[in-house]
Amino acid sequence: DAGVTQSPTHLIKTRGQQVTLRCSPISGHKSVSWYQQVLGQGPQFIFQYYEKEERGRGNFPDRFSARQFPNYSSELNVNALLLGDSALYLCASSFGLNTEAFFGQGTRLTVV
Amino acid sequence: GESVGLHLPTLSVQEGDNSIINCAYSNSASDYFIWYKQESGKGPQFIIDIRSNMDKRQGQRVTVLLNKTVKHLSLQIAATQPGDSAVYFCAENVGTAGNKLTFGGGTRVLVKP
Repeated sequence: DAGVTQSPTHLIKTRGQQVTLRCSPISGHKSVSWYQQVLGQGPQFIFQYYEKEERGRGNFPDRFSARQFPNYSSELNVNALLLGDSALYLCASSFGLNTEAFFGQGTRLTVV
Repeated sequence: GESVGLHLPTLSVQEGDNSIINCAYSNSASDYFIWYKQESGKGPQFIIDIRSNMDKRQGQRVTVLLNKTVKHLSLQIAATQPGDSAVYFCAENVGTAGNKLTFGGGTRVLVKP
């Protein structure tokens, strides 16, 4: 069985640009959550989607947005990129709203 | 805001010895706790979880202990192996809040041969 897959694995963007990160959850999982992990720190919660609806939002600016598609895959969008947005962006999937969460390998975003 | 924290940033352990990683949490409403292992360049890997109605849970070579009185969580790794070298995170969740995990800063475990 495939685990959580994220694309791309690495990305370099310029300040002010926009980026879209993609996540495919484990088959059968209906919830996708997004986390930002700055180097040397623990992951920080950004969003949770369940059954295509936003069910939770962390303390991130409106430049961050996400959505979940009918096949339960998800996209995270970040507009007007700042240098401080450089991080590992992790996607986690779970079957339900509050069940064991499995993480993907992440997308390493570097903003220059 | 409330957060999960760790007591030791780095733990060096001899191969074969037992490891204990500690974690303090401050949100008394948290009712679900998870330990993750993260190797360099990879996403966090689920190790073991425990709900607040339990004090102890055992897995393969790992045991998680929860002390709700002092809001303390620990992960014990038996017979530590070189493959256990990684950063370990504890995370907490409030049940009604979905999978909004709050992570601590992490403890690096270095296994010496």
